[in-house]
Amino acid sequence: EAGVVQSPRYKIIEKKQPVAFWCNPISGHNTLYWYLQNLGQGPELLIRYENEEAVDDSQLPKDRFSAERLKGVDSTLKIQPAELGDSAVYLCASSPGQGLETQYFGPGTRLLVL
Amino acid sequence: GDSVTQMEGPVTLSEEAFLTINCTYTATGYPSLFWYVQYPGEGLQLLLKATKADDKGSNKGFEATYRKETTSFHLEKGSVQVSDSAVYFCALQVQGAQKLVFGQGTRLTINP
Repeated sequence: EAGVVQSPRYKIIEKKQPVAFWCNPISGHNTLYWYLQNLGQGPELLIRYENEEAVDDSQLPKDRFSAERLKGVDSTLKIQPAELGDSAVYLCASSPGQGLETQYFGPGTRLLVL
Repeated sequence: GDSVTQMEGPVTLSEEAFLTINCTYTATGYPSLFWYVQYPGEGLQLLLKATKADDKGSNKGFEATYRKETTSFHLEKGSVQVSDSAVYFCALQVQGAQKLVFGQGTRLTINP
């Protein structure tokens, strides 16, 4: 069974440029998460989707970050414009449905903003 | 709020040594507890979990026991291998919140 797929794996951009990350969850998983992992820290939740609905986006900086999961499968996380402090690893995870279930993580996208 | 505190790293051990990585938590509800491992260049992988007090999670020779009285979930392994070198994260998940709350991670290096 394929795991969570993320692309790109690495991205280098200049500040003020836009950037987008893509995630394909495990087939059949209704819940999708985006986490931010700063260097030397544990991941922190940005947004959680149940199917196509964002049910927890309280930690998403909405002035520059946006996310979508239009058909309840793939998801895209966007930053516009990027700032130096956005340099981090962006992790996507999925789980089968609601409740306390194991979350499966993708390899992450490492972003460097110059 | 909910939080997890892990033993600070990095931790360096020799092969076949005994490993303990301490983890304590604060939670408003009754959490499930997890250890995740991140090998170099790879994503987070679930190592083990426990969902109620006194449960013991185990996998690949690693163990951790959910201690409600001390709010702890320490990770142990009797004899580590070079292949165990990775970053280990303790995490909790509270019913209703669903998000994982992670500690800061502990980098483990095992020397042959």
